[in-house]
Amino acid sequence: DVKVTQSSRYLVKRTGEKVFLECVQDMDHENMFWYRQDPGLGLRLIYFSYDVKMKEKGDIPEGYSVSREKKERFSLILESASTNQTSMYLCASNPSGTYGYTFGSGTRLTVV
Amino acid sequence: AQSVAQPEDQVNVAEGNPLTVKCTYSVSGNPYLFWYVQYPNRGLQFLLKYITGDNLVKGSYGFEAEFNKSQTSFHLKKPSALVSDSALYFCAVRYFSGGYNKLIFGAGTRLAVHP
Repeated sequence: DVKVTQSSRYLVKRTGEKVFLECVQDMDHENMFWYRQDPGLGLRLIYFSYDVKMKEKGDIPEGYSVSREKKERFSLILESASTNQTSMYLCASNPSGTYGYTFGSGTRLTVV
Repeated sequence: AQSVAQPEDQVNVAEGNPLTVKCTYSVSGNPYLFWYVQYPNRGLQFLLKYITGDNLVKGSYGFEAEFNKSQTSFHLKKPSALVSDSALYFCAVRYFSGGYNKLIFGAGTRLAVHP
C-alpha cells in the first residue's frame, strides 16, 4: 500500500513562529498536494507540486510557502504563524495520469 | 466557477436502513467525480469514482454512487447502513485550471448510523 506520512499528528505553535509541516510518500508519485480542512468549508487547496522543485499556488496560498527538493518529500511552511492558520492540514499524492489521491493522516496545528 | 455542494451537514440513519448522502456539482466539461470518507483522526480514504461509462458506480465497503448528468448530481448510497459507516463523507470533482488538474471538495457530510 502507498503510504503518505505526515511527521506530526499534533502541533502547538506560537504566533509569529516559522512552522514546517513535513510530508513524505513512498511510492514515487509525481504529484503532491497540501490542503487545509476546516469545519463547514471542506478541504481547500493551498499548494501543489507536479515535479521536484516545482510548485504551484492553489486556492488559498496566502501566508504559506512550500518546498520540494526531493520527489518523495513536500514541505509546507508557515512563514509567520497566525491564529487563523489553526487548522487540520492534509497532504496527498498521486501518480501522473491517475485520478485518485492518497492522503496522509493529517497534522492538527494550533497557533496560540 | 467550479463548485461542489453537499447540502446536508449531517445525515442520521438507523442501522440496516438504506442511506443516501447528496452531492451536486458545477464544472466545465465532462465531470470526474469522487467520494472520500474520513474516520476520526484519520486522513481521507478513497471510496469510488466516476470517470465515464455506467452511471451507477460501485466502490469500497458496499457503497455505490449514481451519476445524473441532467441533475448534475452524484449521490452516495448504500442499501443497508452499518454503525461502522459513521464518518465524514466528502464529494469531490476534478477540474482543469491554469494548465493543471485539481480536485475541489465539498464541505463534507457527517453520517451518523444509530443502532
